[in-house]
Amino acid sequence: AQSVTQPDIHITVSEGASLELRCNYSYGATPYLFWYVQSPGQGLQLLLKYFSGDTLVQGIKGFEAEFKRSQSSFNLRKPSVHWSDAAEYFCAVGAGNYQLIWGAGTKLIIKP
Amino acid sequence: DVKVTQSSRYLVKRTGEKVFLECVQDMDHENMFWYRQDPGLGLRLIYFSYDVKMKEKGDIPEGYSVSREKKERFSLILESASTNQTSMYLCASSLGTADEQFFGPGTRLTVL
Repeated sequence: AQSVTQPDIHITVSEGASLELRCNYSYGATPYLFWYVQSPGQGLQLLLKYFSGDTLVQGIKGFEAEFKRSQSSFNLRKPSVHWSDAAEYFCAVGAGNYQLIWGAGTKLIIKP
Repeated sequence: DVKVTQSSRYLVKRTGEKVFLECVQDMDHENMFWYRQDPGLGLRLIYFSYDVKMKEKGDIPEGYSVSREKKERFSLILESASTNQTSMYLCASSLGTADEQFFGPGTRLTVL
């Protein structure tokens, strides 16, 4: 069955430190992959997406993600986090049937 | 700029009331979605629609119905609201079968 796993429910990072949020998926074909961010009380905003081509994808707000087919992973990274990055982050896979399969989310907490 | 709007940000209803949540998109998207979001459970798909007057059940359709009479508008209906339907409701739209979804700001519904 298709699934997306975000193994970390919460992550705490100091401001200025680097960040990596993990995402693993289970999907039979070549996936379409997405990272979204949700600030408190808001809807979801697309950070970046991978459809094909270069496996290192650049997104908004200084985020990037790398697609690794051999590991079925699409981890999100940022070299230096800011307090405004505190939010919940969701990984999703396009299943090709109109729907996206969602991970449960990772809540990012920034320490001053 | 792409826009998905939801009729209310906050809504308080009583048990047994009929509740309508409205969603409008201005992107001429074919597909529209209703999710509910609860802490620790991520996004769960209630219903989606891939064309006017077409609808498909998602993962948790019980207690809900939907209506799509016009391409830009997708309504979620709670026929008889119950306290376990207290949640954040998110509407989204997309163009193709595996495309990114664009989200509205959400409606936080409380059923007393």
